[in-house]
Amino acid sequence: QKEVEQNSGPLSVPEGAIASLNCTYSDRGSQSFFWYRQYSGKSPELIMSIYSNGDKEDGRFTAQLNKASQYVSLLIRDSQPSDSATYLCAVNAGANNLFFGTGTRLTVIP
Amino acid sequence: EAGVAQSPRYKIIEKRQSVAFWCNPISGHATLYWYQQILGQGPKLLIQFQNNGVVDDSQLPKDRFSAERLKGVDSTLKIQPAKLEDSAVYLCASSLVGLAGEQFFGPGTRLTVL
Repeated sequence: QKEVEQNSGPLSVPEGAIASLNCTYSDRGSQSFFWYRQYSGKSPELIMSIYSNGDKEDGRFTAQLNKASQYVSLLIRDSQPSDSATYLCAVNAGANNLFFGTGTRLTVIP
Repeated sequence: EAGVAQSPRYKIIEKRQSVAFWCNPISGHATLYWYQQILGQGPKLLIQFQNNGVVDDSQLPKDRFSAERLKGVDSTLKIQPAKLEDSAVYLCASSLVGLAGEQFFGPGTRLTVL
């Protein structure tokens, strides 16, 4: 059974702070990793992908991957109230489809 | 470029009734996914099509759920008969072949079973 685990939160950070979201996965054969953002009442949208160990930066977002520890994280720098959403970690374990975690709800306090 | 279209957006039915959802993917996206998202949980894959063939339906409750994509474009998902626990948002997504991580989601259908 492939599992993707996230702390459901809620995670609250003040505006301008760094938000750190974490995800662990069970299948060592997992190849690629994704972060989706889901605003309340809306559909998920892809914001980051990462395929190899290390960091990947895109604007205020940094994804970090450690395959040995089976750990993925998303850092959001200079958090804004518009970043308040649920962040879903998703893993592609080689079957060419995604397993999603339950999501972490982030609230950025102005 | 038009996004993924779904209808209806909302549906309320009594238990044991049947319901159908429709999805039109992004043009050129051969892979189509149906997900069930229960409140407070992540999306759970029900079925994946590539063109008009089923790639994965291992988590589809086949005694009551069915799905088809006859011409490799539009798809319908049906529940018959519905149970209370089927209350959820049903999301359709599409992607290019081989790019399962880069999925584009439709607005979803919120189903309430009373």
